[in-house]
Amino acid sequence: AQSVTQPDIHITVSEGASLELRCNYSYGATPYLFWYVQSPGQGLQLLLKYFSGDTLVQGIKGFEAEFKRSQSSFNLRKPSVHWSDAAEYFCAVGGPNTGFQKLVFGTGTRLLVSP
Amino acid sequence: DTAVSQTPKYLVTQMGNDKSIKCEQNLGHDTMYWYKQDSKKFLKIMFSYNNKELIINETVPNRFSPKSPDKAHLNLHINSLELGDSAVYFCAASLTTSGSYEQYFGPGTRLTVT
Repeated sequence: AQSVTQPDIHITVSEGASLELRCNYSYGATPYLFWYVQSPGQGLQLLLKYFSGDTLVQGIKGFEAEFKRSQSSFNLRKPSVHWSDAAEYFCAVGGPNTGFQKLVFGTGTRLLVSP
Repeated sequence: DTAVSQTPKYLVTQMGNDKSIKCEQNLGHDTMYWYKQDSKKFLKIMFSYNNKELIINETVPNRFSPKSPDKAHLNLHINSLELGDSAVYFCAASLTTSGSYEQYFGPGTRLTVT
């Protein structure tokens, strides 16, 4: 069955420091991978996505993610975190194997940004 | 203009009541979804409609009934509300012909059952 694991429930990063959020997936074919961000009391906003091609994808707000098939990972990175990045981050996998347009989400990682 | 909107944003009601949540998208997308986010932030799909046709129906109690009057709207009706229905419900939309599978989410409806 398809699944997504985000091993870190929460992470604290100092403002200006670099960030990496981990995501591992289980999927029977080439996955479609997504990172979403949810600010408190808000809906989910798409940060970036990977379908094929270049394994390093750029997203909004200065985020990037790298698809590593050998490690079944799609980690999210940002070189310098801003206080406004504090939010919940969700990794998701989709594609033909999950049925018609179905996304399977990880449990999320809460990012805290310290001054 | 908000791409995917939901009403109401907050809904507080008592056990046993029936309530509805409305969702509208102005993206022109052909597929709409309902997700439930529990208190631990876990997101799980409930239903998916493509061009008003039910496509995905996960293991959801029969008390939950989605209705899609047209491609731009997907409403969720819940009968006989239970304490365990308390959650945030998100509507989402996607364009299947794009082949991209990305979904655009609404702001959510926080349902509290007392």
